[in-house]
Amino acid sequence: EPEVTQTPSHQVTQMGQEVILRCVPISNHLYFYWYRQILGQKVEFLVSFYNNEISEKSEIFDDQFSVERPDGSNFTLKIRSTKLEDSAMYFCASSDAEGSTEAFFGQGTRLTVV
Amino acid sequence: SQQGEEDPQALSIQEGENATMNCSYKTSINNLQWYRQNSGRGLVHLILIRSNEREKHSGRLRVTLDTSKKSSSLLITASRAADTASYFCALVTHYKLSFGAGTTVTVRA
Repeated sequence: EPEVTQTPSHQVTQMGQEVILRCVPISNHLYFYWYRQILGQKVEFLVSFYNNEISEKSEIFDDQFSVERPDGSNFTLKIRSTKLEDSAMYFCASSDAEGSTEAFFGQGTRLTVV
Repeated sequence: SQQGEEDPQALSIQEGENATMNCSYKTSINNLQWYRQNSGRGLVHLILIRSNEREKHSGRLRVTLDTSKKSSSLLITASRAADTASYFCALVTHYKLSFGAGTTVTVRA
C-alpha cells in the first residue's frame, strides 16, 4: 500500500541551527502539506503546496519556514533558525485532490530543539 | 474559527461497548473527515462525509453529519483494545484540513 515517508524520525538540533525535514509523498499525489503537533496539543496546519507553489499558509509559517519540492519525489520543510518553541512533531501529508479526498499522513519527524 | 471542537475530551469504555464522540463547527464545509492517531504516531484517515450526506458507515464506524446544527458524530461499535487512540474531526476548507483538539478514547480490556 502506498505511504508517505518522512525522514528522519527524530532530529535533535541546537537552537539557532537550520533543519530540513524530508518527506516523500505518494507518487501520484498533487497536493502536499506540512502540519505540526506540539506535545499534548492539537495538530496545526502549517502550509499547503500545489503546482510548485504555496497554496495557503498559516500564521505559524513565518519567514523562518520554507518548503521546496526539489525533484519529482521529495517535499522538504526547512526551518532556518530553530527556536525552542519549534520543538514538535512535524507531519507531512499528501492528497490527490484539494481537500475532496482523504489526506495520507506520514509517521512524523520529532524535532527537539535544545 | 475554522476548526472543529470535539466532545468529550476523553472517554473510557469497556471492551465491547460503543464509543460516541461529537464534533461541532462554525463555518461552512465541503466535507468533514475523521482521523485516528495512536500515541506519538501519524494520523490515519477513517472516514470522509460530504456536506450533502447525512450518514456514512465503514466497518464498525458510523459517522453522521447534521449541517443545520453544524455537528458530526463518530460512533465506534463493539470497541476493542486496539481502538484506544485519539480521534479528530477535520474540517476541509479549500487547501487545508483544520483539526480540533480531539477525543482521547481508552478501551479497557
